[in-house]
Amino acid sequence: QKEVEQNSGPLSVPEGAIASLNCTYSDRGSQSFFWYRQYSGKSPELIMFIYSNGDKEDGRFTAQLNKASQYVSLLIRDSQPSDSATYLCAVNSAGGGNKLTFGTGTQLKVEL
Amino acid sequence: GAVVSQHPSWVICKSGTSVKIECRSLDFQATTMFWYRQFPKQSLMLMATSNEGSKATYEQGVEKDKFLINHASLTLSTLTVTSAHPEDSSFYICSEDGSQETQYFGPGTRLLVL
Repeated sequence: QKEVEQNSGPLSVPEGAIASLNCTYSDRGSQSFFWYRQYSGKSPELIMFIYSNGDKEDGRFTAQLNKASQYVSLLIRDSQPSDSATYLCAVNSAGGGNKLTFGTGTQLKVEL
Repeated sequence: GAVVSQHPSWVICKSGTSVKIECRSLDFQATTMFWYRQFPKQSLMLMATSNEGSKATYEQGVEKDKFLINHASLTLSTLTVTSAHPEDSSFYICSEDGSQETQYFGPGTRLLVL
């Protein structure tokens, strides 16, 4: 069974700190990895996607992928209270078309 | 990213009635759309893949006769919850299959069945 696992949290960080969100996946054939942010009562919005091993940076966000360890993470620098949300990791597996498997999400709380 | 709309944004209905939810792609011709359901405090669960001009592909455990999907045009997919019951109360979200294998989500429809 293809699984994506995340710590549900909540992860609390002070404003201005780096928030580190982690995700592991079980399907070694997975090829594409996505991070979505979901505010309470809203639908998910895409933050970043990553396909290759290593780091990918976009503004305050950095996605990190390690296929050997089946691990993908999201770093948020200079965390702001507006970053408080649930962060969903999603994986598109090989042969799965464009279907995504989502983790249960990590709730992030950025405290003043 | 792509722009996806859903209508209605929320609906309350009596048990036994049917509810239709529309998902529109506003800036992209989407041959494929996805329908998800999300219960409180849980993650998104894929219900079905909606393919323009053909039958939808349902995930295991999803009743195709209860959740009717129609994708008659490149910009519109509809999900009809037939004979809705309280256990069908959930947050229904569609997404558009965009470029680079990304998915862009509509704003969601919150369904409450009394």
